[in-house]
Amino acid sequence: AQTVTQSQPEMSVQEAETVTLSCTYDTSESDYYLFWYKQPPSRQMILVIRQEAYKQQNATENRFSVNFQKAAKSFSLKISDSQLGDAAMYFCAYKNSGGGADGLTFGKGTHLIIQP
Amino acid sequence: NAGVMQNPRHLVRRRGQEARLRCSPMKGHSHVYWYRQLPEEGLKFMVYLQKENIIDESGMPKERFSAEFPKEGPSILRIQQVVRGDSAAYFCASSHGEGARYGYTFGSGTRLTVV
Repeated sequence: AQTVTQSQPEMSVQEAETVTLSCTYDTSESDYYLFWYKQPPSRQMILVIRQEAYKQQNATENRFSVNFQKAAKSFSLKISDSQLGDAAMYFCAYKNSGGGADGLTFGKGTHLIIQP
Repeated sequence: NAGVMQNPRHLVRRRGQEARLRCSPMKGHSHVYWYRQLPEEGLKFMVYLQKENIIDESGMPKERFSAEFPKEGPSILRIQQVVRGDSAAYFCASSHGEGARYGYTFGSGTRLTVV
């Protein structure tokens, strides 16, 4: 079974600074997807960024980018120019490619605090 | 487009009662997924359904839990004879096709409290 590990229960960063959230995963598959989701206090799960394992280029969405290291099974999220609205729980998630079972495997999350 | 709608947002049940959680997927989405989130934990996959079919229920407890997604109407997650350990937030997500390829849209969840 696949597992996702987020080793930082909580991270704190000054507004406008850059922060990196760590995620490692374990799988024997070669083709899969990785995700970062944001969960603010409203509880809504919001997709931040998505990476397909066969793509070597790191995904980027505005101030959010990832460092995908397939051999190391690492998928960290970098948030540049942190804003107060970035404060939330961040979850890393994994999904096998292909049909059939289609559930995401989530890590336990990192609580990101933005200090003004 | 109203997104994925879950209701109720909060549900309180006494031990032994039944809980029914509803999920209306996004318009045009025929794939529905249910997840459970315990306090201080990530979401755990429970079940994946397409219209009238359960595709994968590997994460669903074998007893007391059931899910359906009828041809008409919302998907329902039913928990019979609830116990304190069932207290959690239950999330529904929907997708157009294979979720990882087309994208999952999550609802805001139902927080179930068993007293």
